[in-house]
Amino acid sequence: GAVVSQHPSRVICKSGTSVKIECRSLDFQATTMFWYRQFPKQSLMLMATSNEGSKATYEQGVEKDKFLINHASLTLSTLTVTSAHPEDSSFYICSARGSPASGGYNEQFFGPGTRLTVL
Amino acid sequence: QKEVEQNSGPLSVPEGAIASLNCTYSDRGSQSFFWYRQYSGKSPELIMFIYSNGDKEDGRFTAQLNKASQYVSLLIRDSQPSDSATYLCAVRREGNYGQNFVFGPGTRLSVLP
Repeated sequence: GAVVSQHPSRVICKSGTSVKIECRSLDFQATTMFWYRQFPKQSLMLMATSNEGSKATYEQGVEKDKFLINHASLTLSTLTVTSAHPEDSSFYICSARGSPASGGYNEQFFGPGTRLTVL
Repeated sequence: QKEVEQNSGPLSVPEGAIASLNCTYSDRGSQSFFWYRQYSGKSPELIMFIYSNGDKEDGRFTAQLNKASQYVSLLIRDSQPSDSATYLCAVRREGNYGQNFVFGPGTRLSVLP
């Protein structure tokens, strides 16, 4: 399957700081990227969907001003957690889907995840 | 009613046995169904997907789909301790911006040596 990377894999920060997480599709063009959050022993919760060159669409209950998503190219999307607080500590996972032309349209390929801990 | 439901488990089976994982979904219009495996602290990895009613086999894994009953299952034959993980059922649906996946809560499987 296709490869999706995330950086950083772990981050620990102080309350009130902002954290940026990168998601890259390494061997295909990802027209759509998804950002998920997963709390311990819970399932994946979709936060937002982003398409290259467009504004992200956020799921109900997700603050778009707090979780800034940028999908500036076909291989890179970023999630910035602004003014992070301890309750934002979670496992953030991105996934990417290719275009119908590039293949992989029917599947989502997940990145390895980023564990955020806010002190 | 949640869109995708699974028994949280844990489901314990002895090594070599068949593990049966079940999933139900509420949107009758759903067309595509996926099984992911997630090890603790890792992101999900795709095991297999199924679109049509019936069985689909891939190695030790068999996915079964019954759209009339809105039910999809995953059978793991000859279970190994390395199969111990959380198994997530996902249904693809139309979201706010194109298609996205809805995940069930996952079933934790423990294969005992």
